[in-house]
Amino acid sequence: SQQGEEDPQALSIQEGENATMNCSYKTSINNLQWYRQNSGRGLVHLILIRSNEREKHSGRLRVTLDTSKKSSSLLITASRAADTASYFCATEGNYGQNFVFGPGTRLSVLP
Amino acid sequence: DAMVIQNPRYQVTQFGKPVTLSCSQTLNHNVMYWYQQKSSQAPKLLFHYYDKDFNNEADTPDNFQSRRPNTSFCFLDIRSPGLGDAAMYLCATSTVGRWGAPDSPLHFGNGTRLTVT
Repeated sequence: SQQGEEDPQALSIQEGENATMNCSYKTSINNLQWYRQNSGRGLVHLILIRSNEREKHSGRLRVTLDTSKKSSSLLITASRAADTASYFCATEGNYGQNFVFGPGTRLSVLP
Repeated sequence: DAMVIQNPRYQVTQFGKPVTLSCSQTLNHNVMYWYQQKSSQAPKLLFHYYDKDFNNEADTPDNFQSRRPNTSFCFLDIRSPGLGDAAMYLCATSTVGRWGAPDSPLHFGNGTRLTVT
């Protein structure tokens, strides 16, 4: 049961630009998580945002959550070539504890 | 360091030959998950255990089974692997708070890459 849907599916930007990815979900959640995955590597947790939070920051990352619109966004500022990766949002499925990943956004940062 | 360990890292099995993948954790987390990830796709949740309670995703084939004999260990059994089951299998853990809502990030193992010949 797929809960989150990211857009765009693919994003290509120049180094130094900002990248914004969006995640929409269908049912109410307790928290939403963003992950990064470099090609051929494991998943790296970026940020967990709870339903009572509107915004969280971690270094160059900013995540917002709008529960009324059932959507979240991940902003990467001043992007670097090393940010090239797939980014996934994960939200709770129908059981509450089961975390389901969206299809992801493939970000390419060109030097 | 507390962690999630998956064995083996690489597993080759023959078409139709049962295979078991294992996962252990030292985090004492009450939820354990199995995900399947194919190339260029998102991780797909197969099932999860909340303590001893097993929860199957609706679209998980019957060919996939799981066991959690204790808090620390969880196994993925593929009864009759097909070529389409070749993938990376990821085990993850998390905690659930008092009211049954998750309250931690997912902690992933390094995965087992399954090849079916």
